[in-house]
Amino acid sequence: EVQLVQSGAEVKKPGESLKISCKDSGHSFTFYWIGWVRQMPGKGLEWMGIIYPGDSDTRYSPSFQGQVTMSVDKSINTAYLQWSSLRASDTAMYYCARLTNHYFDDWGQGTLVTVSS
Amino acid sequence: EIVLTQSPGSLSLSPGERATLSCRASQSVTSSYLAWYQQKPGQAPRLLIYSASSRATGIPDRFSGSGSGTDFTLTITGLEPEDFAVYYCQQFGTSGTFGQGTRLEIK
Repeated sequence: EVQLVQSGAEVKKPGESLKISCKDSGHSFTFYWIGWVRQMPGKGLEWMGIIYPGDSDTRYSPSFQGQVTMSVDKSINTAYLQWSSLRASDTAMYYCARLTNHYFDDWGQGTLVTVSS
Repeated sequence: EIVLTQSPGSLSLSPGERATLSCRASQSVTSSYLAWYQQKPGQAPRLLIYSASSRATGIPDRFSGSGSGTDFTLTITGLEPEDFAVYYCQQFGTSGTFGQGTRLEIK
């Protein structure tokens, strides 16, 4: 059973950098795409993009291209989402999820990112 | 980018009733690329339906999906108290998108 475990909640100031993680405790990390999904407070789900751990091929949604960076470390079965300069509008819950064929069949528990001065 | 529009935005029904949720795409979506999720407060989304009509593992048969092209439907027959939640459709062809969600509330 695939289990994605995300890093804990973060509180940051505008302009700060941040890297959150998503660790796959299963044994198939390099065989499936990992996606990131944003959920702003009280709002719906937004597709941010996907990354293939096997070769780090990354596909960003147009809305998030240039705003975040996705990466992986295959040696520790972990995917990352990072910001170089946070804004208040980045305040949201961020989920990682495994993409099987064309849908997300396993989700992390979410990482709450709060950006406030 | 394909835009998914869900309707209604919210739906108020009683336990035991039937819920019909719609998801309309701005252009044709291959059926195998359409999925539905359920999200309860404070929880991550859960996959319900994939490939437009296949139930995910462990999903009760009161949940069913149908549709093709630009029009897809999630039907819940005999609503149970635990079914009141927010539902999202999602497509992934060359790029992925979610609908804005339908909130299913207890009447």
